Amino acid sequence: NAGVTQTPKFQVLKTGQSMTLQCAQDMNHNSMYWYRQDPGMGLRLIYYSASEGTTDKGEVPNGYNVSRLNKREFSLRLESAAPSQTSVYFCASSEVGGGGKVTQYFGPGTRLTVL
Amino acid sequence: QKEVEQNSGPLSVPEGAIASLNCTYSDRGSQSFFWYRQYSGKSPELIMFIYSNGDKEDGRFTAQLNKASQYVSLLIRDSQPSDSATYLCAVNSPTGGGYNKLIFGAGTRLAVHP
Repeated sequence: NAGVTQTPKFQVLKTGQSMTLQCAQDMNHNSMYWYRQDPGMGLRLIYYSASEGTTDKGEVPNGYNVSRLNKREFSLRLESAAPSQTSVYFCASSEVGGGGKVTQYFGPGTRLTVL
Repeated sequence: QKEVEQNSGPLSVPEGAIASLNCTYSDRGSQSFFWYRQYSGKSPELIMFIYSNGDKEDGRFTAQLNKASQYVSLLIRDSQPSDSATYLCAVNSPTGGGYNKLIFGAGTRLAVHP
């Protein structure tokens, strides 16, 4: 039982390049999330998928797109990377109980540098 | 005003002492509250959740919730150097985030010195 896995672990891009960050979970969770974490800023939600077949914008969606490929997989795409997208990206998943009992479990993160 | 506020620290405590970490939130409709621990260079790890007013204890950790004051805290008893990490407070926010989304504070860095 691997939990939440992410690939790659590290990536360096040049401005304007594109890439896709992959995330998979084996906990049979319905909801999945993409966050970015910058120093002093905490975790900020980029996109989330409440269930298979749905995606919604979070707090900082500009410059990103997502695909919920199936119940297990949720990918994040940077179409034209910018230095402002240098960050650590975390994927998370959760089941949702009543009253917002949304315990989220995180992957190991992808450290992205855009030059 | 940020939706979830934490003192960034560092909070420095001696080994064996009680560390007290605090968090305030703005959405009165919030119902679920979480504490995550994050070691440097690692991903957040859930250590406590609390849904009802009062205290919830789990080993050396106690979460306290006061919905009237919009305040949640984490106490760590008998602090160990291995507790040195950043502690993130997270709150579900029906108004700002929806029931299945969490709003995170920026975290409090805890340093436990021998």
